Amino acid sequence: SYVLTQPPSLTVAPGQTARVPCGGHDIGRKSVQWYQQKPGQAPVAVMYDDSDRPSGIPDRFSGSNSGNTATLTITRVEVGDEADYYCQVWERSSDNHFFGPGTKVTVL
Amino acid sequence: EVQLVESGGGVVQPGGSLTLSCAASGFSFDDYTLHWVRQVPGGGLEWVALVSWDGIFAYYLESVKGRFTISRDNHKNSLYLQMKSLRTDDTALFYCARGRSTSSSGAFDVWGQGTMVIVSS
Repeated sequence: SYVLTQPPSLTVAPGQTARVPCGGHDIGRKSVQWYQQKPGQAPVAVMYDDSDRPSGIPDRFSGSNSGNTATLTITRVEVGDEADYYCQVWERSSDNHFFGPGTKVTVL
Repeated sequence: EVQLVESGGGVVQPGGSLTLSCAASGFSFDDYTLHWVRQVPGGGLEWVALVSWDGIFAYYLESVKGRFTISRDNHKNSLYLQMKSLRTDDTALFYCARGRSTSSSGAFDVWGQGTMVIVSS
């Protein structure tokens, strides 16, 4: 089992920068994915392999991963970015995937 | 259009069984690993199981091993999840998700809308 930690919530003003952390032991050695989920909707991938942005995701979204923390950064935050954000990794030894508990990003 | 559509959810008593299905369209089905991911209402995401592109390999969340079986039919472009000995803590919205490649690792790049499973007496 691999444990990921995320803060339950984060509030950011429109136009500012949101940094969503995801903690895990030596997570820098793993590939981290990020998902955005809005109420009543299925998750949508916003970052692959630490810092690779899927097609259609604005370049305001970026990712980094080092040491024990991966970070999803959203610059020039918009009201439409308000959502739950989940990090996810794959563990080779078990061939299992693990999600973080999620961070609710509120734009106020 | 790339699409995954789940079905088969419902209400079942503890100890009961249920089989979920996921119909895929718009892509070459056997080029991808497929997954089931669940979400308790108001809660977070939990990966449940994966099946390799050829259906030969399957891996499971520890708490569902021996109770759930993931399978696929590449001729029918369909994914399945057979669930038995269901428990109240299996109550969740179950999503079908596509892996980015034939590998077990990596992200889930396409998701269905989910099918709800409620385990209750």
